[in-house]
Amino acid sequence: KQEVTQIPAALSVPEGENLVLNCSFTDSAIYNLQWFRQDPGKGLTSLLLIQSSQREQTSGRLNASLDKSSGRSTLYIAASQPGDSATYLCAVRPYKYIFGTGTRLKVLA
Amino acid sequence: NAGVTQTPKFQVLKTGQSMTLQCAQDMNHNSMYWYRQDPGMGLRLIYYSASEGTTDKGEVPNGYNVSRLNKREFSLRLESAAPSQTSVYFCASSELASREKLFFGSGTQLSVL
Repeated sequence: KQEVTQIPAALSVPEGENLVLNCSFTDSAIYNLQWFRQDPGKGLTSLLLIQSSQREQTSGRLNASLDKSSGRSTLYIAASQPGDSATYLCAVRPYKYIFGTGTRLKVLA
Repeated sequence: NAGVTQTPKFQVLKTGQSMTLQCAQDMNHNSMYWYRQDPGMGLRLIYYSASEGTTDKGEVPNGYNVSRLNKREFSLRLESAAPSQTSVYFCASSELASREKLFFGSGTQLSVL
């Protein structure tokens, strides 16, 4: 059974720091992986989608990488800002998406 | 472009009451989903519909029913609400042409007393 883990559960960093969020999954047979952002009381917004044949995707200050063989993905946020404070979730799709429990990020001004 | 619209945003029920959560998408997506989000549990799939006229159970279907009314609308019904169904419910949609990228509604916060 596919399991998705995100560690740490919470993270606080000073503004301007570059940071890495981690996502690990137990079964490498996936079609794609998505990273989402969730603000308190809101729905999920897709940040990046990486297909199984890709190694990374970039959007602005965000870069997501995928290593299927080791069952890992990372979300790199460059020059963090207070507006980046949110919960970040990853989800893998073997057939239907399976979600991790997220990392709650707080960027301190 | 509204995307995925869910109603209501908040609801309080008494144990045993019934209700229907509504979801509509305007992106012409074939696939639609219902998830619930509980603290420490992540999002869990309740039901999904791969296309109009089809529905399938997800990870936690007990106590729920769904209807794919047409391509746009996918409703979730609680026939006899229980306190264990207190949760935040999200509807989502996706399309193969966009590599099954998930688009979410803003959620329904449901409390069952």
